[in-house]
Order: sequence, then structure tokens, then C-alpha cells
Amino acid sequence: NAGVTQTPKFQVLKTGQSMTLQCAQDMNHEYMSWYRQDPGMGLRLIHYSVGAGITDQGEVPNGYNVSRSTTEDFPLRLLSAAPSQTSVYFCASSYMGSSGNTIYFGEGSWLTVV
Amino acid sequence: KNEVEQSPQNLTAQEGEFITINCSYSVGISALHWLQQHPGGGIVSLFMLSSGKKKHGRLIATINIQEKHSSLHITASHPRDSAVYICAVPYSGGGADGLTFGKGTHLIIQP
Repeated sequence: NAGVTQTPKFQVLKTGQSMTLQCAQDMNHEYMSWYRQDPGMGLRLIHYSVGAGITDQGEVPNGYNVSRSTTEDFPLRLLSAAPSQTSVYFCASSYMGSSGNTIYFGEGSWLTVV
Repeated sequence: KNEVEQSPQNLTAQEGEFITINCSYSVGISALHWLQQHPGGGIVSLFMLSSGKKKHGRLIATINIQEKHSSLHITASHPRDSAVYICAVPYSGGGADGLTFGKGTHLIIQP
């Protein structure tokens, strides 16, 4: 099993550019989520999905878009990149929600916006 | 939103010492997660617990649901235990909407 796979691992964007961070899991998990990690802030929830076709906002959703067309994939789109979106992004999945189920993380995507 | 407080933020200890990391949260939950993050970024789940105590090797996690408090203990600490340890709880307590995290405890074990 590959677990949770994120691509790309590193990316440099110019302000105003758009891009998509890819996340795929092969564990047939219903629940997937995106987090960003910034120094001194800890991890913060961006968006989450409880199943194909169902997404919702987390704590810091502005500037990001998600969709869930299949159980396996949960891409995160940056619509118009800003320097404030420089961060490390983690995708995670679990069988159901975060209660009572082990959560699995991808290896992270380091994004720099210049 | 559930608020999570971890202590200490930084901890340096000698090899062999008994380590305790604490986590408190504000909203009642059904489960709490302890995570480990090594330099280079990867995050792995150590424990998911909803009551009592769990043990895995030299790691022990306890939770007191009534007091909204959990502890992570490391016995006979080793330099390979050096990492950031993160406590996480459901964002709003219910569990279907993602996690909210403590800021982490940066642990360094010196030989």
C-alpha cells in the first residue's frame, strides 16, 4: 500500500499563479482533509471531505478550493497564489472522521510563493 | 472550535530520562490523537485514544475525559525519540470535521 501520496513535494510559485496540490489514498478511506503548517501556528485545517461529492470548509479556507470526485483523490487548488500561502501542506485520510479512527498523513508539500 | 494547549513547548533531556508531555483541550471529545513529526516533516500517528491508557513499546498515553487532559510519556528516552510531538482533537468535538492541533512539543534527547 502506498498510503497517502502527495505531489509535488516542492513547488515555487509566483504571486498570482494558480496550481493544484494532488492527494491520493489507496486505503478506501471516506474521510480526507488538507492542513497547512506554519512556524509557531501548528497545523490548521483548510478543507475536508467526508466522502465523494461532499466537501466543507475548515479553519482557514480562503484562497483554496477543493473537490472530491472520487474516493481516492482530494486535490487542493490555489486559485491566485499569495505570499501568505507559503507553507507546508499536509493531506490526511482516515476510515471515517477523526473520532475513533487512526489518521494517516501524506509526506507534505513545501510551497513557496514569491 | 476546540482549543488545544500543549506543554512544554520545548524540552531537552538526557538519554534515559522519563519524559512527560501534556495536552489540554476545551471541548468534550470522543477521541484524542498523539502524533510524531520528525525533521523532514513526515507526521505519523502514535496513539488514538478515547479513554484510559494505551501503551506501545516505551510510549504510554493517558487521557482523562472529565478533566479534558491527556499526557504522553516516554520511558527510558533515547536520542531517536527526538522529534516534535503533537496533540490533536476533533475540530468541534464531534469528530466528522477534521482535527485541531496543539502547537507541538519539540523534544531533544541528548546522549
